[in-house]
Amino acid sequence: DVKVTQSSRYLVKRTGEKVFLECVQDMDHENMFWYRQDPGLGLRLIYFSYDVKMKEKGDIPEGYSVSREKKERFSLILESASTNQTSMYLCASSTHPPPDTQYFGPGTRLTVL
Amino acid sequence: GNSVTQMEGPVTLSEEAFLTINCTYTATGYPSLFWYVQYPGEGLQLLLKATKADDKGSNKGFEATYRKETTSFHLEKGSVQVSDSAVYFCALSDLPSGTYKYIFGTGTRLKVLA
Repeated sequence: DVKVTQSSRYLVKRTGEKVFLECVQDMDHENMFWYRQDPGLGLRLIYFSYDVKMKEKGDIPEGYSVSREKKERFSLILESASTNQTSMYLCASSTHPPPDTQYFGPGTRLTVL
Repeated sequence: GNSVTQMEGPVTLSEEAFLTINCTYTATGYPSLFWYVQYPGEGLQLLLKATKADDKGSNKGFEATYRKETTSFHLEKGSVQVSDSAVYFCALSDLPSGTYKYIFGTGTRLKVLA
């Protein structure tokens, strides 16, 4: 079974802190994605990557950056956390080429105080 | 641009009732269509998919048919169970446009009462 793991299930940070969310997949997938999930808005794509060191902006990249130094790991970085970044963050991976099933991690619920 | 519209929730049903969750889409190419389910406290997982017009995806008693003429992919189940309580997301991926992105609907919460 494909497994996507995320470093934390719950995280509480203060405004202005730098926040790292880590995602690891164990199926050698080329594509990885970061979404945020908010009530009434569904899933919105922040960034995605289709290869090591490659990244593409999604629909809401402002305030975020990403890093993909190894194929299995995709990190989301909040450079200076703000209260409007309080959300559920979901990581996903999929094979290449699309379209194909996305496999999701359990999510990280981030609260910024 | 591409978009997915699904019915607002929550949907509350009694056990063994018939379920329909509507989903319509707008796409420039020939998208693949998906239904994902999110159980409480978990990430999304694929429920079923269809990759071309008239395909029917099915899994765990759920079905959805890719209708190009009505741009729809409605989710149905003949007899729901309490364990089906979850949030259901309709999604599309438009391969010919070359994008690696997937578009998700806003989700429909289903609550099944015993």
